[in-house]
Amino acid sequence: DAKTTQPNSMESNEEEPVHLPCNHSTISGTDYIHWYRQLPSQGPEYVIHGLTSNVNNRMASLAIAEDRKSSTLILHRATLRDAAVYYCILRSWGKLQFGAGTQVVVTP
Amino acid sequence: EAGVTQFPSHSVIEKGQTVTLRCDPISGHDNLYWYRRVMGKEIKFLLHFVKESKQDESGMPNNRFLAERTGGTYSTLKVQPAELEDSGVYFCASSQRTGSYEQYFGPGTRLTVT
Repeated sequence: DAKTTQPNSMESNEEEPVHLPCNHSTISGTDYIHWYRQLPSQGPEYVIHGLTSNVNNRMASLAIAEDRKSSTLILHRATLRDAAVYYCILRSWGKLQFGAGTQVVVTP
Repeated sequence: EAGVTQFPSHSVIEKGQTVTLRCDPISGHDNLYWYRRVMGKEIKFLLHFVKESKQDESGMPNNRFLAERTGGTYSTLKVQPAELEDSGVYFCASSQRTGSYEQYFGPGTRLTVT
């Protein structure tokens, strides 16, 4: 199964944008790029997903490179509530395969 | 709309005992997944139900784990007998359809085996 590479941690100031990179050089044509996050003491929470085109929703934006070998999750204005572990996951069907994710720290 | 619920929220048992975890998915969701995070490790997939059929159970660690979903509604995950290495957080998730659709996770059951 295709794997992803993310930085271990990132820090941001409150109300500033956060750009979370993800490398997935072995992505296949049928893999969707999913992002989930996990707040402390909670289950993972869906954030966004895409295939080829950039995607926006109320939580975030997903920018996908033209060759699909990398993507970036963008939190437009970080809040303290956005402090969580963010997971970039490739998924073609069924199960999610979590990596270590990126710990996002938001400072006031 | 109620989310995915899991019971109990925390269970402490002794090695060798049996524990049953329950998951109630979002109403109408045919797909139900079990995952777990054991100490210091990443979240790992255990198995996937479509309605009451096991679609993928490739992540089940061994035959001490038994998952059921009778009637295609709630699911149970039984660990018998429990071992120390089974300690961790067990998550359940559900989705409306298979494929790229998002999964909705429950809060998890923290299992402690002493």
